[in-house]
Amino acid sequence: QSALTQPPSASGSPGQSVTISCTGTSSDVGGYNYVSWYQQHPGKAPKLMIYEVSKRPSGVPVRFSGSKSGNTASLTVSGLQAEDEADYYCSSYAGSNNFVFGTGTRVTVL
Amino acid sequence: QVQLVQSGAEVKKPGASVEVFCKASGYTFTSYYIHWVRQAPGQGLEWMGGINPSGGSTNYAQKLQGRVTMTRDTSTSTVYMELSSLRSEDTAVYYCARVGSGYRYGDLDYWGQGTLVTVSS
Repeated sequence: QSALTQPPSASGSPGQSVTISCTGTSSDVGGYNYVSWYQQHPGKAPKLMIYEVSKRPSGVPVRFSGSKSGNTASLTVSGLQAEDEADYYCSSYAGSNNFVFGTGTRVTVL
Repeated sequence: QVQLVQSGAEVKKPGASVEVFCKASGYTFTSYYIHWVRQAPGQGLEWMGGINPSGGSTNYAQKLQGRVTMTRDTSTSTVYMELSSLRSEDTAVYYCARVGSGYRYGDLDYWGQGTLVTVSS
């Protein structure tokens, strides 16, 4: 099972928007609406930000949103804030009770 | 409140085995799957497998089949992950995490603090 493909880095100024892509195949991202996104600050455990493609857990700011088209899922952070600077990972159900993570994207707030 | 508390850091020699535990509290242990995820130094997240604490059924990443074993003890609400035949590439932080919805949803809503396993001769 190959990792989902994410851009290594993304950046934006405070208040701007940044979108991170997560590209898989029809066997994972494209085949199921079970895509999640995680935020990870250095030295910390990941935090769930989006699940089932576009749902936000309680407590996650509304500026985080998710979507999917075909084999590519996306996470958009609107109104960037300093605390959004972190690594972001997507994950997807991949069939046969398997899961796969993305390669990770480092978001920098300029 | 939901908590997953993991065992402490380990240093192992190549070829040895390591067992990491994950003790759950604050919810009904048998109602939520637990997954294990690892992260090598400076690298991304890697899914290792999952266990159903209710019946004990498991699913493992193909890459780790034959080397990883996940078990649970319902009397202590604890999940265990054993990795055998350790090699240097297994050096990583190992996390347990709870699946918030059904298995396929894979939404890991609560995470342990992580356990650093170092494999070195």
